Amino acid sequence: AQSVTQPDIHITVSEGASLELRCNYSYGATPYLFWYVQSPGQGLQLLLKYFSGDTLVQGIKGFEAEFKRSQSSFNLRKPSVHWSDAAEYFCAGGGLTGANNLFFGTGTRLTVIP
Amino acid sequence: DAGVTQSPTHLIKTRGQQVTLRCSPKSGHDTVSWYQQALGQGPQFIFQYYEEEERQRGNFPDRFSGHQFPNYSSELNVNALLLGDSALYLCASSFFETTETQYFGPGTRLLVL
Repeated sequence: AQSVTQPDIHITVSEGASLELRCNYSYGATPYLFWYVQSPGQGLQLLLKYFSGDTLVQGIKGFEAEFKRSQSSFNLRKPSVHWSDAAEYFCAGGGLTGANNLFFGTGTRLTVIP
Repeated sequence: DAGVTQSPTHLIKTRGQQVTLRCSPKSGHDTVSWYQQALGQGPQFIFQYYEEEERQRGNFPDRFSGHQFPNYSSELNVNALLLGDSALYLCASSFFETTETQYFGPGTRLLVL
C-alpha cells in the first residue's frame, strides 16, 4: 500500500536556525509528493510539490525539498527559520491530477523559540 | 477570487444525530474531495465527487455520504454520529484532469458529545 511516514512528531528550533523535516514514502510506482503547512485553526496550504524532473524542489516561504529515490525520502528544508514558521507540517503522496486523492503522514509540529 | 469556503466553521452535535457540512470549491474547479482530520492526526481521505458522482472513496462507513451540485459545490452528510466522528473536516477542490494541486478550505470542526 502507498504511504508516507513522518518520523518526528514534534521539533523545536531556534529562530534563525536551519530546519529539516523528514518524510519517507512507500510507493509502487512514480511517487508524487507534497508538503503542506497548517497553522492553528487553518486549512492546509501547499508549500511545494514533486512530480518529476529536478529532485530539488523550491517552494513558497523559502522552503525547499529534496527527493531521494535511493532513500525513499522527501525531506523539507529551510535555511533560516522565522517565528511565523511555527505550525504543523504534513507530507503527502498522491496522483498526478486532481482526480487522485492525497494520503498524508501524521504530521510534524514545529515550535520556534526566540 | 474566493478560495475554497466551508460552512459552518464549528458545530456541536450529540451521539446519534445527523450532520451536514457544506463546501464551495475554488472558482472554476470541478472536483471536490473531503478529508477527516482527527486531533493530532493527518487528514484521511473520505471521498471525492466529480460530475455529481462519487468517484473514489476511502475507508469510511456508509454513514458518511455526500453530494455534489451542478454548481460544483458539495455536501458531506454523516448519520448516526459517534464520539469518534469528532474531527476537523476539510474540503479540497481541484480540476479533475489537470496537475493543478488541490486547494483546501479552512475546515469545519465537529464535536460530538
